[in-house]
Amino acid sequence: DAGITQSPRHKVTETGTPVTLRCHQTENHRYMYWYRQDPGHGLRLIHYSYGVKDTDKGEVSDGYSVSRSKTEDFLLTLESATSSQTSVYFCAISDHGGETQYFGPGTRLLVL
Amino acid sequence: DQQVKQNSPSLSVQEGRISILNCDYTNSMFDYFLWYKKYPAEGPTFLISISSIKDKNEDGRFTVFLNKSAKHLSLHIVPSQPGDSAVYFCAARPSGSARQLTFGSGTQLTVLP
Repeated sequence: DAGITQSPRHKVTETGTPVTLRCHQTENHRYMYWYRQDPGHGLRLIHYSYGVKDTDKGEVSDGYSVSRSKTEDFLLTLESATSSQTSVYFCAISDHGGETQYFGPGTRLLVL
Repeated sequence: DQQVKQNSPSLSVQEGRISILNCDYTNSMFDYFLWYKKYPAEGPTFLISISSIKDKNEDGRFTVFLNKSAKHLSLHIVPSQPGDSAVYFCAARPSGSARQLTFGSGTQLTVLP
């Protein structure tokens, strides 16, 4: 299995609070991605990174920001959490953009 | 507007029989397709892929078929085993610079012993 960890694995927070999720990889892969998984929608891309300090928006980026200051870490921030952001968040990595992506174990976020 | 569709949310199959999971896509720019398997409380794991220059790719019990004219792909699992019970996602990647994956909504496969 690819060395990908996500923290925290579970989080409960209140509406309006900022939340940061962390993805850490030990594979030295260039590309990193953040997805959310919701019933009936599969996995939807939030943001992705193609290198240190290089990021771009995905399909559902509103309300989210990301940062990548090191190859191994990709942070997802919910600037002001809303109940619609209750979801399971997955990080993924790949060596080449769009090639096979390897996923982390996920973070389950509940916004009350 | 979903560009990758899995129209069957669930499928039940007897152990030892064939499982066929289907996926349709609308974007003719997709040139690479993947299947992922997901168990509860785990991340998706890569299963098998196929390039648009092929119409079939096989890996052990798993075979993916691609029909470009119909914009349709399918995953065949033969023989099905109880451990195959999981959610299966198909994903597609467009050619060109925007090489992000677009996922379908998933199909829950249950293999009955």
